[in-house]
Amino acid sequence: SQQGEEDPQALSIQEGENATMNCSYKTSINNLQWYRQNSGRGLVHLILIRSNEREKHSGRLRVTLDTSKKSSSLLITASRAADTASYFCATPRGGGGFKTIFGAGTRLFVKA
Amino acid sequence: SQTIHQWPATLVQPVGSPLSLECTVEGTSNPNLYWYRQAAGRGLQLLFYSVGIGQISSEVPQNLSASRPQDRQFILSSKKLLLSDSGFYLCAWSGAGGRETQYFGPGTRLLVL
Repeated sequence: SQQGEEDPQALSIQEGENATMNCSYKTSINNLQWYRQNSGRGLVHLILIRSNEREKHSGRLRVTLDTSKKSSSLLITASRAADTASYFCATPRGGGGFKTIFGAGTRLFVKA
Repeated sequence: SQTIHQWPATLVQPVGSPLSLECTVEGTSNPNLYWYRQAAGRGLQLLFYSVGIGQISSEVPQNLSASRPQDRQFILSSKKLLLSDSGFYLCAWSGAGGRETQYFGPGTRLLVL
């Protein structure tokens, strides 16, 4: 199975609500990343959190990392229709280096 | 600033025909380069990665090959396409020396009929 697995697979909310997506992983990591993908487009890097960090903010995004539970969450506050996209967590593959494992993603739909 | 280009954007090819997808990066030197495939509604599968000219590592056995003839050029090829090669192909780069963040191209949607 994949290193990073997102939950839920799909999420539908109203504009203005908060959206929370979770990611679980299996092995020890030194960082975890979140990416966004609009339909039919490439992925865009959102945020990277290192293993010695517990929380990180970027605009309306808040990412947490719990290394004891091997999990991370991405919170989007005050969602907008333009936030509709798929969101992926990504973790380094074991053995070091630069290879990254992407989860299957959470598809977020924000209704206007 | 760095940019990454992929072409073509969309491609429809018959089974058994050859394939060549190209990816180029501007504004950086000696990047790590990656080819991914994404099935509809799914995550990314790493196909190939390269740390330098002529250095290609394959992640999964398949009908595809990759080449890196120049520092910032990465090519995905096939001699004979299969139906199962259909998908969304993404090229990405990251900084040399194990930099974590990857930057993706716009992708190529390949349909094999």
